[in-house]
Amino acid sequence: DTAVSQTPKYLVTQMGNDKSIKCEQNLGHDTMYWYKQDSKKFLKIMFSYNNKELIINETVPNRFSPKSPDKAHLNLHINSLELGDSAVYFCASSQPGTGGITEAFFGQGTRLTVV
Amino acid sequence: AQSVSQHNHHVILSEAASLELGCNYSYGGTVNLFWYVQYPGQHLQLLLKYFSGDPLVKGIKGFEAEFIKSKFSFNLRKPSVQWSDTAEYFCAVSSDGGKLIFGQGTELSVKP
Repeated sequence: DTAVSQTPKYLVTQMGNDKSIKCEQNLGHDTMYWYKQDSKKFLKIMFSYNNKELIINETVPNRFSPKSPDKAHLNLHINSLELGDSAVYFCASSQPGTGGITEAFFGQGTRLTVV
Repeated sequence: AQSVSQHNHHVILSEAASLELGCNYSYGGTVNLFWYVQYPGQHLQLLLKYFSGDPLVKGIKGFEAEFIKSKFSFNLRKPSVQWSDTAEYFCAVSSDGGKLIFGQGTELSVKP
């Protein structure tokens, strides 16, 4: 049973389109994240939600809008896709603890290619 | 602001060689420290973590890491690498506030 699952795994789309990536976790965690991994493998946090509330919103274009209908789901909608949005997007979940989070579990990633 | 720095961008070793990957972080408060591994085409998996206690922590697959508070370091080690250890390795730090910050990653290539 997959702990953190994302769909789709691959997404190829044209510039200007709008697309969504879905994420679900069955670990009972309170916190969920979206990370972007660029072509150089650098992982950058985009958003974090805790119990459906946005708690971290890094410098991300307004075209990216996360939505958390409940604490087990965190979706990412991207409007007007640009070539520079091509990357692998990872969803993750964790529980808070002393000194920060205890451990983050990651989904398989969604490879987004904008052509 | 928190930051994490990994010293090596790409490390190439022969099988059975010893491995040490450097990681330094900048944050003055209490932190939790992690090493993650990403095998080609796969997601991130936890190798080991440090919260408190013994600064030498053991993880999966024979990896270990040492937390040296005075140096703000959390270096990853393995006495003898295998070809199957070829992967990208990420050091990460979290603190109060729930943010998990990653280093730039180190690509490890192990030659058979």
